[in-house]
Amino acid sequence: GAGVSQSPRYKVAKRGQDVALRCDPISGHVSLFWYQQALGQGPEFLTYFQNEAQLDKSGLPSDRFFAERPEGSVSTLKIQRTQQEDSAVYLCASSFLGYTGELFFGEGSRLTVL
Amino acid sequence: QKEVEQDPGPLSVPEGAIVSLNCTYSNSAFQYFMWYRQYSRKGPELLMYTYSSGNKEDGRFTAQVDKSSKYISLFIRDSQPSDSATYLCATLLMNTGFQKLVFGTGTRLLVSP
Repeated sequence: GAGVSQSPRYKVAKRGQDVALRCDPISGHVSLFWYQQALGQGPEFLTYFQNEAQLDKSGLPSDRFFAERPEGSVSTLKIQRTQQEDSAVYLCASSFLGYTGELFFGEGSRLTVL
Repeated sequence: QKEVEQDPGPLSVPEGAIVSLNCTYSNSAFQYFMWYRQYSRKGPELLMYTYSSGNKEDGRFTAQVDKSSKYISLFIRDSQPSDSATYLCATLLMNTGFQKLVFGTGTRLLVSP
């Protein structure tokens, strides 16, 4: 497809379970971002990759959150021992390496932790 | 204080109305400002992008930046029901070496037929 693809679109997890969220960016996009969007809030930055290098992970809420992009394309956001406060939409975005502020977002993965 | 503040709404208007959406920001060093539109259960999409102060027009949409008052506005003329969405203002942090966006909370707009 031409856009950013995320899976699963919806995930329900019991507290304490591990989850993995996948992002397939637009082909050729060097930059990849993960954002967290809580209900009624704007997206909050989690982490940034340039190709396979994770250059900024300052937004990850705790060491239970881990992201990787091993081959510089598909990325996975993993959340270990999920907590109720992790319930949110996790948005992936990609862009060419540039500074225009134009990010192409996927539709998000909605995580509900019971 | 959040770096970008935005009234969450909802803002309800009749079809054809002129809509004004606003944000304030705290850091005078911000120079790049964006408006993203987010439909329900979709990802945000870039609507308008401006640099520094002034106006930028694109069809029915006008983005305005007033750096003296740290105020960002988006005007929608002849609003349509299809404009019903959440509008997110954002700014770009340039000292990070990459496109780190800071978003406002978003304003939900409802345009009734």
